[in-house]
Amino acid sequence: DQQVKQNSPSLSVQEGRISILNCDYTNSMFDYFLWYKKYPAEGPTFLISISSIKDKNEDGRFTVFLNKSAKHLSLHIVPSQPGDSAVYFCAASGNAGGTSYGKLTFGQGTILTVHP
Amino acid sequence: NAGVMQNPRHLVRRRGQEARLRCSPMKGHSHVYWYRQLPEEGLKFMVYLQKENIIDESGMPKERFSAEFPKEGPSILRIQQVVRGDSAAYFCASSEIQGRVQPQHFGDGTRLSIL
Repeated sequence: DQQVKQNSPSLSVQEGRISILNCDYTNSMFDYFLWYKKYPAEGPTFLISISSIKDKNEDGRFTVFLNKSAKHLSLHIVPSQPGDSAVYFCAASGNAGGTSYGKLTFGQGTILTVHP
Repeated sequence: NAGVMQNPRHLVRRRGQEARLRCSPMKGHSHVYWYRQLPEEGLKFMVYLQKENIIDESGMPKERFSAEFPKEGPSILRIQQVVRGDSAAYFCASSEIQGRVQPQHFGDGTRLSIL
């Protein structure tokens, strides 16, 4: 049962343009969402998060949007840079099914390639 | 990923042996989480520990796997009698308080290979 889904395995974008990565979730008990970036042979690096009391959070070039009614979140990167090329994971947390907030449920990841 | 230290980075074991993976959280962090990433998949939660306590082990396999976070020293993920299917990357994360409004910060993982 995939409770967090990233339906696009890959995304290719030109440098300077906007990258939009999407994520859908099914469990309405999730109330905290995060985006991580991961390079090969390294651990995930935290990028940005959003609580369900908000619908937008911005940090520099990164903005996360949350649509609770659609159970959908997206990460916008503007402008995209070649160094942004990595695998991006969305993750969700909440008091879901009796488990703790400590449990992050991850999507499968989207490979972002930014071309110079 | 500076701060959360995992060792070894690579571990090779033969079927039936034991694997011990260690994780030292970031300074000041008292909450530790273990995740496993199988090839071509996302990270799957295994266990959440605080010092001397297991808070949530809902993702741990029922047999052969155990975890601890003693009062002194690193957190240990132990896999007994390893099988080929245990080959994966194992990531540890830590947070200052419970990971609801505080993000979890990850180490670079231990790549476990079973021969």
